[in-house]
Amino acid sequence: GAVVSQHPSRVICKSGTSVKIECRSLDFQATTMFWYRQFPKQSLMLMATSNEGSKATYEQGVEKDKFLINHASLTLSTLTVTSAHPEDSSFYICSARIGQGAFFGYTFGSGTRLTVV
Amino acid sequence: QQQVKQSPQSLIVQKGGISIINCAYENTAFDYFPWYQQFPGKGPALLIAIRPDVSEKKEGRFTISFNKSAKQFSLHIMDSQPGDSATYFCAAPSNAGNMLTFGGGTRLMVKP
Repeated sequence: GAVVSQHPSRVICKSGTSVKIECRSLDFQATTMFWYRQFPKQSLMLMATSNEGSKATYEQGVEKDKFLINHASLTLSTLTVTSAHPEDSSFYICSARIGQGAFFGYTFGSGTRLTVV
Repeated sequence: QQQVKQSPQSLIVQKGGISIINCAYENTAFDYFPWYQQFPGKGPALLIAIRPDVSEKKEGRFTISFNKSAKQFSLHIMDSQPGDSATYFCAAPSNAGNMLTFGGGTRLMVKP
C-alpha cells in the first residue's frame, strides 16, 4: 500500500535552532501533503497544506515564517521549524491523500517527536 | 470551517465488551468518514472507513454505522481486547478542501 516515510522520528534541539522534518511518499506521487501538529493528549490539528511546486497554504494562527514548508518534488515535502522554542515541542505528522475517485484515502507518516530544550 | 465532535473523551470497557465511540460532523466537501487508531508515540493508523453508499461497514470486530441525515457516525468494537487500548480519532473531510479534520479523540482502555 501507499506509504509515507517520515524522518526523523525523534529530535531534540536547542532553543533558537532550526529543525527540518522530511516526509517522502515511497510508492506514489503526492502533489499535496498535509502537516499536522499534535500536543500531548490532544487531537491532530492541521497546520498547513503543502502543494508541489507552489506555496503552502497555512491554517489560521500558524506562522508561515516560523514553519517553512517546501514541496519541491512529487515525493518529498519538508517542514522546517525555524528558531525553535520550547512551546514548539510537539508531535508533527504528515499525511497525503492517495488514490482517486471512489478509491481514495489518506496515509500518515509515523510522526516526529520534537523536543526543544 | 469543519467541526468534528467526538464522544466520549475516555472510555473504560471490560475485556469482551463492546466499545462505542460517536462522532458528529458539519458540512463536508465529499463523503468519506474514517476512524484512526493511535498508540502512544506513533502516527495514526487507519482502522476502518466508510463511504456513504452504505449505512454500515464491518471489518472483523470493527463496525462503522453511518447516519447521513443526522450527520453522525460511530465506531463499534466488538469483543474488545486489552490490545485495543489506544486513542481513537474520527475524521471528516473539510468543506473547503481535501484535508481531514479530526475529532478530539477517545482514549479507550480495555481492562483484562
